[in-house]
Amino acid sequence: DAMVIQNPRYQVTQFGKPVTLSCSQTLNHNVMYWYQQKSSQAPKLLFHYYDKDFNNEADTPDNFQSRRPNTSFCFLDIRSPGLGDAAMYLCATSRKTTSGGQETQYFGPGTRLLVL
Amino acid sequence: QKEVEQDPGPLSVPEGAIVSLNCTYSNSAFQYFMWYRQYSRKGPELLMYTYSSGNKEDGRFTAQVDKSSKYISLFIRDSQPSDSATYLCAMSAGLYYGNNRLAFGKGNQVVVIP
Repeated sequence: DAMVIQNPRYQVTQFGKPVTLSCSQTLNHNVMYWYQQKSSQAPKLLFHYYDKDFNNEADTPDNFQSRRPNTSFCFLDIRSPGLGDAAMYLCATSRKTTSGGQETQYFGPGTRLLVL
Repeated sequence: QKEVEQDPGPLSVPEGAIVSLNCTYSNSAFQYFMWYRQYSRKGPELLMYTYSSGNKEDGRFTAQVDKSSKYISLFIRDSQPSDSATYLCAMSAGLYYGNNRLAFGKGNQVVVIP
């Protein structure tokens, strides 16, 4: 089945130790998103890629970076995790059509990050 | 004022009851309204999708949009224990790349008691 896959599902890291979260998709979608969702809060968009074009949200801290080496994969790098970065990180994909329309977003299961 | 307001308070109902959820919003540019269902430790999945004002029904689920009041609702009839999840409302101004950013509510946790 076509899907959005996130690894690992749970990640424990130490304060200040860099961590990388991974997202892959078999939907062949050209747009990929990273959201941060804290407990009982709405998902907050961090950034997204349209193909290789990176779009950062204005309020995303510099501590968060992303890479998209190819259509299928996208990575979220947290350079120096703080206690406040503990959250669920959601990857989503969608398809922008040649006419400019965009289909709905499909979400992965998320990676729950714990910072000790 | 937040763009989208959704009371996150947990809602417990007995099996078979009607579940009523709602969101209010402040941005009059929103035209596309969605409800996502998120099971524990899973990502959100699209449940209902509505354009502009009106009602949409899909099985036991009904979505209503009242743009004049900036108010949207989701009703679940004959609720089942499998409906226990968090329900997030989301909305966007458009469907085209560049104006389709999703604004989410905080989510409403629903527990259906057998």
